[in-house]
Amino acid sequence: AQSVTQLDSHVSVSEGTPVLLRCNYSSSYSPSLFWYVQHPNKGLQLLLKYTSAATLVKGINGFEAEFKKSETSFHLTKPSAHMSDAAEYFCVVSLTIIQGAQKLVFGQGTRLTINP
Amino acid sequence: EAQVTQNPRYLITVTGKKLTVTCSQNMNHEYMSWYRQDPGLGLRQIYYSMNVEVTDKGDVPEGYKVSRKEKRNFPLILESPSPNQTSLYFCASSFYRDRGLEAFFGQGTRLTVV
Repeated sequence: AQSVTQLDSHVSVSEGTPVLLRCNYSSSYSPSLFWYVQHPNKGLQLLLKYTSAATLVKGINGFEAEFKKSETSFHLTKPSAHMSDAAEYFCVVSLTIIQGAQKLVFGQGTRLTINP
Repeated sequence: EAQVTQNPRYLITVTGKKLTVTCSQNMNHEYMSWYRQDPGLGLRQIYYSMNVEVTDKGDVPEGYKVSRKEKRNFPLILESPSPNQTSLYFCASSFYRDRGLEAFFGQGTRLTVV
């Protein structure tokens, strides 16, 4: 089975310090991986995606993620946290269900809190 | 502007009273799906549709129905809601790009069943 596991349900950092949100995936082939962000009372927005072109992926708002096949990880990072980064973050894999069809499988989510 | 529109945003209803949550997209996507979000569980797929008149069960379909009579609309129907269906629901419209499925999400519908 293919799935994603977010290793932390809650991460708290101070403004201006680095952010690390961890995600491991299990897949029998090279997957498509995504990070989505959900701000309070909002829908989900695509932050970035990996689809085998480059292992270091840059997204919006200064976030980036590195695909490491040997570690089956796709951790999300940002050098310096901003108060507006406080949100819930989801690691997602695109999973083939039948030939020609895929679905998105979500991790459990990581709530990011930014301390002033 | 690319949009997925869900209505209503908030709904409180009583057990057993049929309800429909509407979802509409303006991107001409073939693939649409419904998810529910519960604390600690992330988003779980309820139903999906690969095209008009083509729907199939996701991971948690019990108690839900869907229909896809037109490409742009994908309503979620709860024939007899129960309190365990209290949740935050998202509709998504998706397309394939670079080998993966990429999704646009609606703003969500917070449903409370009492």
